[in-house]
Amino acid sequence: GAGVSQSPSNKVTEKGKDVELRCDPISGHTALYWYRQSLGQGLEFLIYFQGNSAPDKSGLPSDRFSAERTGGSVSTLTIQRTQQEDSAVYLCASSLTYRSKDTEAFFGQGTRLTVV
Amino acid sequence: GENVEQHPSTLSVQEGDSAVIKCTYSDSASNYFPWYKQELGKRPQLIIDIRSNVGEKKDQRIAVTLNKTAKHFSLHITETQPEDSAVYFCGHTGGGNKLTFGTGTQLKVEL
Repeated sequence: GAGVSQSPSNKVTEKGKDVELRCDPISGHTALYWYRQSLGQGLEFLIYFQGNSAPDKSGLPSDRFSAERTGGSVSTLTIQRTQQEDSAVYLCASSLTYRSKDTEAFFGQGTRLTVV
Repeated sequence: GENVEQHPSTLSVQEGDSAVIKCTYSDSASNYFPWYKQELGKRPQLIIDIRSNVGEKKDQRIAVTLNKTAKHFSLHITETQPEDSAVYFCGHTGGGNKLTFGTGTQLKVEL
């Protein structure tokens, strides 16, 4: 079956422009995560969606960052007025549910964002 | 309460030696502890995980131990091989049920 899919794979944008990054999770997975990975750095938590619950937005670095998850499936991460420090790989992951034993999170291939 | 500390940040071992990576956490509600391996240019992938009702788990050359009292867990790789070279991340789900990660360990297995 299909894994987690992210688009675009690469995005180059000018400073000050808005960007949208898309994540298609594995079908049926109720949990969806966004992480940011700067060059050579760790997995920085951004936001977490679980079913119909209110998302945990505690990791979003500023109000320029927002995310939606429509119909409990596809998610979009939006960065407004991009800055050079936003340049990083943005990784999406999904898992079946956090309450069962099947909580392995599967990652997408990431979107490499470069702000010039 | 959601942070997890990971050490060391870099680790170099000779092929055939063992490697140990340690993580500590502070949230008593943490109940799931996965380890992910990320090869250069690739996505992180789960290699082993452990739950709070288990103290140790093994899968061939890889083992994970959990000490709930001390709030730390470790990854052990025995008989290391060059293909074990990668960045390893420990993770945990805390009271908020979200999955967060340590800062990563760059493991290099030298011939």
